[in-house]
Amino acid sequence: GQQLNQSPQSMFIQEGEDVSMNCTSSSIFNTWLWYKQDPGEGPVLLIALYKAGELTSNGRLTAQFGITRKDSFLNISASIPSDVGIYFCAGHNNNDMRFGAGTRLTVKP
Amino acid sequence: NAGVTQTPKFQVLKTGQSMTLQCAQDMNHEYMSWYRQDPGMGLRLIHYSVGAGITDQGEVPNGYNVSRSTTEDFPLRLLSAAPSQTSVYFCASSYGTGGNEQFFGPGTRLTVL
Repeated sequence: GQQLNQSPQSMFIQEGEDVSMNCTSSSIFNTWLWYKQDPGEGPVLLIALYKAGELTSNGRLTAQFGITRKDSFLNISASIPSDVGIYFCAGHNNNDMRFGAGTRLTVKP
Repeated sequence: NAGVTQTPKFQVLKTGQSMTLQCAQDMNHEYMSWYRQDPGMGLRLIHYSVGAGITDQGEVPNGYNVSRSTTEDFPLRLLSAAPSQTSVYFCASSYGTGGNEQFFGPGTRLTVL
């Protein structure tokens, strides 16, 4: 099956620092997405990427769709305490969505 | 709009019992899906639907049934619950039939003893 490898598994950073996480796959995806999940809630869509090489920003978040269509990264600049949570990458093809295992982010004030 | 709603929020079952997890959306989305989330893992797709009357299997469909009689509702049925089905279940929906930008419900935490 299509497996997504997301790294790092967890990050402990100081408020104000920048964060980078990435996702790789052995398969090609037509769409890459990044979600954030807070405890006890469902994932919330942060950014969706539709074209290889696409670089998209949403406030302090920037994500890129890898040129090979097998990877994506998410950067968070100037982290704040409310950035705490689990971030998931997801690859989408033809009604099928596959998720990475998540990156757990802790931000120390 | 209420978005995607799920009931119940918590459920405990005994092995062999059956139950239905409810999911509804009021956004007139064509695509709806069910995922399970296990500790330390990402979400895995169980079943999905691209419109009323149409359903298909995802990555982990065994032990689960679905139906889609209306655009709004997409229930997930466990016919004979097993401890391996202990998980958090999320329903999601998206505009169109492609299922890319999905909106998720708050989840149902299911424990099978």
